[in-house]
Amino acid sequence: DAKTTQPTSMDCAEGRAANLPCNHSTISGNEYVYWYRQIHSQGPQYIIHGLKNNETNEMASLIITEDRKSSTLILPHATLRDTAVYYCIVRVAGSGNTPLVFGKGTRLSVIA
Amino acid sequence: GAVVSQHPSWVICKSGTSVKIECRSLDFQATTMFWYRQFPKQSLMLMATSNEGSKATYEQGVEKDKFLINHASLTLSTLTVTSAHPEDSSFYICSAREQGAIDGYTFGSGTRLTVV
Repeated sequence: DAKTTQPTSMDCAEGRAANLPCNHSTISGNEYVYWYRQIHSQGPQYIIHGLKNNETNEMASLIITEDRKSSTLILPHATLRDTAVYYCIVRVAGSGNTPLVFGKGTRLSVIA
Repeated sequence: GAVVSQHPSWVICKSGTSVKIECRSLDFQATTMFWYRQFPKQSLMLMATSNEGSKATYEQGVEKDKFLINHASLTLSTLTVTSAHPEDSSFYICSAREQGAIDGYTFGSGTRLTVV
């Protein structure tokens, strides 16, 4: 799986959009970008994933650059409950018997 | 959606005793489950891959005789920390993926183990 680089930490004001960047310059053509988050003392939670088109669901939006070397996770209206560590993971979809490998992620603090 | 139940949520045990952690897929079958360990302020580290009906595959540096994994059914995997010591105190998390699903892995809520 390709390596990803994320900022160590970020702050965001409550109610504002949180934009979390991820660099994955060595991504392969068949690798997807996945985002998970981990709220303190809980297991990770799936957020969203995409291949090359922008994706949106009830939790977030994922913007992938045209060259696919980077992406941004957007939480449109951050709340205090969005404070968590966010992990960007690149892997081939459908490789179900291989585990997710977590990097250090970005610690997002949403401030009132 | 898929749910993975992990028990207990927290446990305190004495040094030298053993602790069993259960991981159940509630509404799907999981031929493969994964066990992670997480120390404070660190990321999740994969310990082992649990395969139903066969031996688990351990990551380098993880003692298979200390961390016993059993995956006897398609919905249950257990991790037993044997002869626990204070350095085994950590947050243990299991994960499973529903066959055919492409939208991600489901994680248990984690078990906080404290060895005193």
